[in-house]
Amino acid sequence: QTVVTQEPSLTVSPGGTVTLTCASSTGAVTSGYYPNWFQQKPGQAPRALIYNTNNKRSWTPARFSGSLLGGKAALTLSGVQPEDEAEYYCLLYYGGAWVFGGGTKLTVL
Amino acid sequence: EVQLVESGGGLVQPGGSLRLSCAASGFTFSSYWMSWVRQAPGKGLEWVANIKEDGSEKYYVDSVKGRFTISRDNAENSLYLQMNSLRAEDTAVYYCGRGRGADYWGQGTLVTVSS
Repeated sequence: QTVVTQEPSLTVSPGGTVTLTCASSTGAVTSGYYPNWFQQKPGQAPRALIYNTNNKRSWTPARFSGSLLGGKAALTLSGVQPEDEAEYYCLLYYGGAWVFGGGTKLTVL
Repeated sequence: EVQLVESGGGLVQPGGSLRLSCAASGFTFSSYWMSWVRQAPGKGLEWVANIKEDGSEKYYVDSVKGRFTISRDNAENSLYLQMNSLRAEDTAVYYCGRGRGADYWGQGTLVTVSS
């Protein structure tokens, strides 16, 4: 069974920078896993942020960026805003099927 | 404006069946893969299934294989999820999403499996 692992929680100060990562139990994450990132706030549906590793959606703020880092997919928030406090999920492709990570709860404090 | 509206959720007994629908508008439905994603109460997101534009390819998470069937009607701009042999662990909000990367999401429909 494939497992995608994210940090359970992270804390960042307003204006700071934070990197969330996404690892695969099958090995290094590459562009062939087409990493996607989503943001979800309480009581709301998820919102897509990044697709295919580093491509922003038209509504994604410039402070969000995606990359590959040390064998993992990564989401970096630069100049964090209070409204960025949310749960973040990555999604990886496994030849037809997809698997979400367990999510990272980001606290802005 | 892209809109996805799920319906069909509700309370069902273990072993029962339910059919979820997702009505799509604001885009050319037949040009996109479509996906179902679920979220159990207080838990994370779980990818459930997706279907190719013409319905010729379908993929499922292992836990629903043989019980759930994804389908679509491009003439009606609708996506479906037929859920049979439901279990308590299928209790979740079910979302439909546009594309394999789910760029747009509906607001979800709650399925509760309980006696």
